[in-house]
Amino acid sequence: EAGVTQFPSHSVIEKGQTVTLRCDPISGHDNLYWYRRVMGKEIKFLLHFVKESKQDESGMPNNRFLAERTGGTYSTLKVQPAELEDSGVYFCASSQAWGTQFFGPGTRLTVL
Amino acid sequence: AQRVTQPEKLLSVFKGAPVELKCNYSYSGSPELFWYVQYSRQRLQLLLRHISRESIKGFTADLNKGETSFHLKKPFAQEEDSAMYYCALRDSSYKLIFGSGTRLLVRP
Repeated sequence: EAGVTQFPSHSVIEKGQTVTLRCDPISGHDNLYWYRRVMGKEIKFLLHFVKESKQDESGMPNNRFLAERTGGTYSTLKVQPAELEDSGVYFCASSQAWGTQFFGPGTRLTVL
Repeated sequence: AQRVTQPEKLLSVFKGAPVELKCNYSYSGSPELFWYVQYSRQRLQLLLRHISRESIKGFTADLNKGETSFHLKKPFAQEEDSAMYYCALRDSSYKLIFGSGTRLLVRP
């Protein structure tokens, strides 16, 4: 069974540019989560989808971040415009119902 | 406030020595606690959950509600245990709240 996949694995952009991260959950997992770890800090929750609906977006830092999950399959997280403090590793996780969350390999975002 | 604290950034032990990675939590309800591990160049993966009360790769963790702790223990560390370990709490909305992580280095 394929695990959670994320694309790209690494993105380097300049401040002010736009970046879109993609997450493909495990097939059949309705729950999809985004987390991030910025430099020197702990992994923090961003938001949670159940199918295509946003269940909890309390962790989204500001309105420069937009997450979508059209059709309830893959999800995208767009950062526009990117700022220096957005640099970090963005993780996606998925779960079946309220079970164990399985994590993707992460996308390392570097904003210069 | 909901919080998970891992006081040690780095724990270095020799192969065969006992290991204890500390985790304390702050949560007003009934917590669900997990240990996740990230080996070098691999993704974050679940190691243990307190509900299961199981031993994985020789590791165990007991939830102590009186001390609000969920320390991870292994009696004899192996070199392949070297990794980053994260304690996490799952709240009522099912999101995970992570500690800052402890890097375990097992020396030969």
